Amino acid sequence: KQEVTQIPAALSVPEGENLVLNCSFTDSAIYNLQWFRQDPGKGLTSLLLIQSSQREQTSGRLNASLDKSSGRSTLYIAASQPGDSATYLCAVTINNNDMRFGAGTRLTVKP
Amino acid sequence: NAGVMQNPRHLVRRRGQEARLRCSPMKGHSHVYWYRQLPEEGLKFMVYLQKENIIDESGMPKERFSAEFPKEGPSILRIQQVVRGDSAAYFCASSPGLSTEAFFGQGTRLTVV
Repeated sequence: KQEVTQIPAALSVPEGENLVLNCSFTDSAIYNLQWFRQDPGKGLTSLLLIQSSQREQTSGRLNASLDKSSGRSTLYIAASQPGDSATYLCAVTINNNDMRFGAGTRLTVKP
Repeated sequence: NAGVMQNPRHLVRRRGQEARLRCSPMKGHSHVYWYRQLPEEGLKFMVYLQKENIIDESGMPKERFSAEFPKEGPSILRIQQVVRGDSAAYFCASSPGLSTEAFFGQGTRLTVV
């Protein structure tokens, strides 16, 4: 059974700091891993998608890595801004496009 | 190309009533997924549908819940005889195919009073 864990559950950093969010999963048989952002009371915004054959993806100040064999992914956010404050969710896709989500990391970037 | 559209955004139902949640996938997307997010909990998979077919409903409660994705029109998640525990945010996602990026709607927040 696939379990997805995100650490830490909450993180508070001063503006400008670089930070890393962690995601681990128990079964390496995944099709892809996706990072999402969720603002309070809102839907999910896809940030980065990493296919199982890939090691990392970059978009602007975001970089996501995937180590399938060890069941780990990291989301690196460079030069954090208050607008980055949100909950960040990782999800792995298993059979039939069924996604399993972690509980999320609640990020607060203080001005 | 509009994103995934869900309506209504907010829905209030009394116990025992029916709730119908609609999801229009992105243009060109034939795969639809429904997820439920309970207060202070993560997203849980409910059902995966393609046009006119339920592919995987392993996350759906056995009673009162049903989903469809007809040939024409939006996907519908139906909850009959709602109870307070059904209060949650229900998210729909769509993708063009397997193992492709999924795009989420803004969600429908159901409150059962």
